[in-house]
Amino acid sequence: QVQLVQSGAEVRKPGASVKVSCKASGYSFSGSGISWVRQAPGQGLEWMGWISAYNGNIKYGENFQGRVTMTTDTSTSTAYMELRSLRSDDTAMYYCARCPGISGGRADYWGQGTLVTVSS
Amino acid sequence: EIVLTQSPGTLSLSPGEWATLSCRASQTIRNNFVAWYQQKPGQAPRLLIDDASNRATGTPDRFSGSGSGTDFTLTITRLEPEDFAVYYCQQYGTSPALTFGGGTRVEIK
Repeated sequence: QVQLVQSGAEVRKPGASVKVSCKASGYSFSGSGISWVRQAPGQGLEWMGWISAYNGNIKYGENFQGRVTMTTDTSTSTAYMELRSLRSDDTAMYYCARCPGISGGRADYWGQGTLVTVSS
Repeated sequence: EIVLTQSPGTLSLSPGEWATLSCRASQTIRNNFVAWYQQKPGQAPRLLIDDASNRATGTPDRFSGSGSGTDFTLTITRLEPEDFAVYYCQQYGTSPALTFGGGTRVEIK
């Protein structure tokens, strides 16, 4: 069965960086893409960006351009999301989600989420 | 950027009643590429509907999606206790870029 397992909760100080991992199993990792979505406490869903595990194409959300880097390691079926220059309003649950196909789209399987807390 | 507006913000209903959730887009969504997700407290979102009206694997048939162009609807007939949750619409007509609506909370009256 398709599973996405994310790394554990992180605490960072303002100005620091965080890197979250998302290990996929149960499907052909290289045949799909991964979107990253975050959710601040009590708020809605915010799309951060998408990366194709097929050819490495990337699309970042406008709100995150210049501050986020998404990568994949096809040898371990793992996707990574690094967010830099953290601020207190980056405190959120961060989700990875599979987008089947090679050009993005709806997210049919989700990771369990990684809570990132930014606090001095 | 396509903006999705969901209404109402909160829907207060009783088990067994119907729920009608609206999602309106600021411009026409290509190929009606709209998905609906359900999120319960402490859980990741779950895909219910894609391509505006196609039920995802495991979605009960009391959930149905409809609409085209800029106006889309999620209907839940005969609300079950486990259906009380927050629902989000999403457009992927501009994929790989995605947009989510602000969500509708369906709460027990």
